[in-house]
Amino acid sequence: QQPVQSPQAVILREGEDAVINCSSSKALYSVHWYRQKHGEAPVFLMILLKGGEQKGHEKISASFNEKKQQSSLYLTASQLSYSGTYFCGTVGTGSNYKLTFGKGTLLTVNP
Amino acid sequence: SQTIHQWPATLVQPVGSPLSLECTVEGTSNPNLYWYRQAAGRGLQLLFYSIGIDQISSEVPQNLSASRPQDRQFILSSKKLLLSDSGFYLCAWRAQEKGGYTFGSGTRLTVV
Repeated sequence: QQPVQSPQAVILREGEDAVINCSSSKALYSVHWYRQKHGEAPVFLMILLKGGEQKGHEKISASFNEKKQQSSLYLTASQLSYSGTYFCGTVGTGSNYKLTFGKGTLLTVNP
Repeated sequence: SQTIHQWPATLVQPVGSPLSLECTVEGTSNPNLYWYRQAAGRGLQLLFYSIGIDQISSEVPQNLSASRPQDRQFILSSKKLLLSDSGFYLCAWRAQEKGGYTFGSGTRLTVV
């Protein structure tokens, strides 16, 4: 079951904040977040494990609510370099070898 | 340090022709290996994953197959390509259960 991401697209001005959400209908072991620039391979940002944690990476952080099977990615004070498509990927309990990706959120940061 | 190599970068093949895409990982042993496909403007679809030599699981029934002849080598093949096989093929590896996936640079396949 593919996780559901929202919004599908978001346009920001440099310095603005954004939140990308990811939800699953099944119990999760972990949630991954990746960013893909046009024409390139996805790049790993962070992983959140079962236990309901929050992580940060520069001005990008994420939370994982395992009870609700939801994760959110927070981008603060966005920079032009943040533009790209953000994918969440989920690993279900009992299937810890398979990462299933959402359809992605296209983030555009304008000057 | 660990690196992943994937080739070729681009490929144009006629319908009905065979396919072989290769992926190798360096600097690690016994990695989990994955093949994903991304159609234009779409998400990433898991095709195959392998947790060891000759241990391959298929996620989507189709005319593609995968093999892992060596610990750090993962091959995606097809005997006869279809137009619908066009896409961006990505190999990925993961060292451990709690780690992220590292993707190769991808192969852009166009079937004509």
